[in-house]
Amino acid sequence: SQQGEEDPQALSIQEGENATMNCSYKTSINNLQWYRQNSGRGLVHLILIRSNEREKHSGRLRVTLDTSKKSSSLLITASRAADTASYFCATDPGANSKLTFGKGITLSVRP
Amino acid sequence: NAGVTQTPKFRVLKTGQSMTLLCAQDMNHEYMYWYRQDPGMGLRLIHYSVGEGTTAKGEVPDGYNVSRLKKQNFLLGLESAAPSQTSVYFCASRPTGTGTETQYFGPGTRLLVL
Repeated sequence: SQQGEEDPQALSIQEGENATMNCSYKTSINNLQWYRQNSGRGLVHLILIRSNEREKHSGRLRVTLDTSKKSSSLLITASRAADTASYFCATDPGANSKLTFGKGITLSVRP
Repeated sequence: NAGVTQTPKFRVLKTGQSMTLLCAQDMNHEYMYWYRQDPGMGLRLIHYSVGEGTTAKGEVPDGYNVSRLKKQNFLLGLESAAPSQTSVYFCASRPTGTGTETQYFGPGTRLLVL
C-alpha cells in the first residue's frame, strides 16, 4: 500500500519559476523524506523533516510538514532545467526506517 | 567510495529460471534494503536487513529470498521467476542511529521476465 500520495502527478513549469509539490500520508511518522530520481537512475535523497519540525530549508529547497493534516510540501525555488526529474516523498515510521514511498511527481522544467 | 553498487545492471530471464541480484556497499552501513519499482509506481520494500546475518520481510516479499552473510553485501534471489517480477530493483543502505535515516540508493537492476 502507498502511504504517501503526491500531488500533482505531473508538473510542467518554465525555468526560473517555483515548483510546489504536495504529499499526503495516512499513519503516524517519525520523519518524512523527499527523494529525486532522474530518468533511468537511482534515487537521491533531497531533504528530511522530522515529525516535530514544521519547516526546513536546504539551498533552493523548502519543505514543510503539517502532522495534524498529515501532509508535506516541497518547494523548489528558481527552478532550472536540471531539476527535471521525478520526485518522491517517503514516510519513515521510525522502526528500522522501512520507508513507504508515494507514486511520485514528474517535474518538467522548460528552458 | 563507490557507495552502493548493484550487479547486474540488466537481465532477461525466462519464466521459471532463477537468479541472484547482488548489492554491495562500502560505507559500513548496518541497514540494507531491497525495493522494486514498477511503472508509474513508487518503490515498494521487498526485504530488509538490520545487520549482518539478519533479514526481515517488507511489504512485497513473496517470490523472493534474501541473505546477508557479509555486512557489505545483500543478495536478492528469485528461485522461480515469474513475469510479474519484471521490474526495476533498487538496493539501499543506511547507517544506524538517530540523524542517519537517509537511505543511499544503488543505480538499479532492470529485470525482464519473459
